[in-house]
Amino acid sequence: SQELEQSPQSLIVQEGKNLTINCTSSKTLYGLYWYKQKYGEGLIFLMMLQKGGEEKSHEKITAKLDEKKQQSSLHITASQPSHAGIYLCGADKGDDKIIFGKGTRLHILP
Amino acid sequence: EPEVTQTPSHQVTQMGQEVILRCVPISNHLYFYWYRQILGQKVEFLVSFYNNEISEKSEIFDDQFSVERPDGSNFTLKIRSTKLEDSAMYFCASSESMTGLNTEAFFGQGTRLTVV
Repeated sequence: SQELEQSPQSLIVQEGKNLTINCTSSKTLYGLYWYKQKYGEGLIFLMMLQKGGEEKSHEKITAKLDEKKQQSSLHITASQPSHAGIYLCGADKGDDKIIFGKGTRLHILP
Repeated sequence: EPEVTQTPSHQVTQMGQEVILRCVPISNHLYFYWYRQILGQKVEFLVSFYNNEISEKSEIFDDQFSVERPDGSNFTLKIRSTKLEDSAMYFCASSESMTGLNTEAFFGQGTRLTVV
């Protein structure tokens, strides 16, 4: 079955520093979603990647999908307290649902 | 900006009671979903709904669960006889087309269900 592994599970970063979160799939993806969840709250859509090698940016967040469409990375530049939360990658398997990873908890130290 | 809204934000119920979680999807969306997240665990797919019927459901979505679109705007999840292990955050989502077609899914803020 489709499994998504996210790393690291938890990340503590000094404000202003850059960071990267990874998401690896056991199978080739039709597409990959990145969502952000604030603790105990809903999921906020960040980006969706569809093509191998694709890269998208939104403000200080950049996500890439590798050529084989099995690995994605989310990079935050010059992190801010507002970036704190749980980052979830979600796999689009080509059917009618998203399979999520366990998430990466990001803490930003002032 | 259009959004998915869920009510209530928090529901406490006694074991064995029926609960109905309500969602108002984005108005021009055609596909509706329920996901749940048990505290500290993954967000898990429960069910997808299109054209007034279930299009896909997970193993979690057993006979205790049902979904309905009673009118043109609401989408509900009913749990007939709640169990302690049903305690979780339940997320409603909607999309213009099937998420398998690489379509963005918009999630609501969630309903935290606590079964006591």
